Amino acid sequence: AQSVTQPDARVTVSEGASLQLRCKYSYSGTPYLFWYVQYPRQGLQLLLKYYSGDPVVQGVNGFEAEFIKSNSSFHLRKASVHWSDSAMYFCAVSAWGFASALTFGSGTKVIPCLP
Amino acid sequence: GPKVLQIPSHQIIDMGQMVTLNCDPVSNHLYFYWYKQILGQQMEFLVNFYNGKVMEKSKLFKDQFSVERPDGSYFTLKIQPTALEDSAVYFCASSTLTGVQDTQYFGPGTRLLVL
Repeated sequence: AQSVTQPDARVTVSEGASLQLRCKYSYSGTPYLFWYVQYPRQGLQLLLKYYSGDPVVQGVNGFEAEFIKSNSSFHLRKASVHWSDSAMYFCAVSAWGFASALTFGSGTKVIPCLP
Repeated sequence: GPKVLQIPSHQIIDMGQMVTLNCDPVSNHLYFYWYKQILGQQMEFLVNFYNGKVMEKSKLFKDQFSVERPDGSYFTLKIQPTALEDSAVYFCASSTLTGVQDTQYFGPGTRLLVL
């Protein structure tokens, strides 16, 4: 079975500063990896996904993530945070394809603050 | 982007009663999912459904749960009878199942409170 760990429940970051959200997964095979964002009272929205190819994958709204197999990590990054990035961010993994059951991490709440 | 709708947004019922949660998936999608998120915990997969059949289900998908999608109508999750531990937000998702372009699109959730 697969699992996902997001060690940071909350991250406070100054507007304009860079952001990194940590994600580590556990899965014996080749994982399908995802980052989703959830705004209050809305469903999850896909930021990016990865299965193979360039380990740095670009997503929407300036987000990117890097797959590091040796570390079983798939950290999410953004160069410059905006107040509108305030949301919950979930890392997820699936076993056999983009359409298979997702296993989610516990999420990280991003709180932008004035610099 | 594509929208998944969920009806109702909130539901309060007494323990032991039946409840049906409705999902209006993206129109050309073929694969449907239910996920459960208890307050303060991570989202967990319940079941997915394709071509009239349950494809995968988790241990959370108890015997009291059932899913169906009568032709052209809502994809539903029925709980009968409900229990206190069924209180949670239930998210529906749908995807196209075309391979690398698959993405699960999520609805905003139905908040179920069992008293």
